[in-house]
Amino acid sequence: AQTVTQSQPEMSVQEAETVTLSCTYDTSESDYYLFWYKQPPSRQMILVIRQEAYKQQNATENRFSVNFQKAAKSFSLKISDSQLGDAAMYFCAYRSAPGGGADGLTFGKGTHLIIQP
Amino acid sequence: GAVVSQHPSRVICKSGTSVKIECRSLDFQATTMFWYRQFPKQSLMLMATSNEGSKATYEQGVEKDKFLINHASLTLSTLTVTSAHPEDSSFYICSARDPGQGGYEQYFGPGTRLTVT
Repeated sequence: AQTVTQSQPEMSVQEAETVTLSCTYDTSESDYYLFWYKQPPSRQMILVIRQEAYKQQNATENRFSVNFQKAAKSFSLKISDSQLGDAAMYFCAYRSAPGGGADGLTFGKGTHLIIQP
Repeated sequence: GAVVSQHPSRVICKSGTSVKIECRSLDFQATTMFWYRQFPKQSLMLMATSNEGSKATYEQGVEKDKFLINHASLTLSTLTVTSAHPEDSSFYICSARDPGQGGYEQYFGPGTRLTVT
């Protein structure tokens, strides 16, 4: 079974600064997808960014980028120019590739991101 | 973008009664839907995978007779918590996979808060 570990229960950053959230995972599969989800106080899950394991290039979405290190099984999220609206719980998640295994997502325990004005 | 709705958003029921939660994909047909449970200040845990027209697949430790899942159409899956007890109180979130978007992204509903008294 796959596991996802987020070792930072809480992170705090000044507005406009950069913050990196850590995520490691364990799997024996070679093809899979990794995701970062944001869960604000409304509890609606919002997809921030996704990465296909077979792609070497790190995914980027505006101020959000990842550092995907497949050999190290590491998938960190960098948020640049932090904004007050970025404050939320952030979950790292793993999914097997289609046909490869479980279809559902395995989540880490989450990191609570606080933005200091 | 793809929208998934859940109803009700909040429900309170007495111990021993059953409660049904609906999950609908509003603008796409979802052959696969997922049910997650989230306890306060914790992560999301996959309960079951629901496939249209077939029996749901439950994760280890989830009682299939207690959490009845029905996926009778391509846009609706229901979760019925039978003989609910206070320990079933939780936040239940569904998601649906849009096969038209490559099939790897899940769209989440807004969640249902269940309180059993």
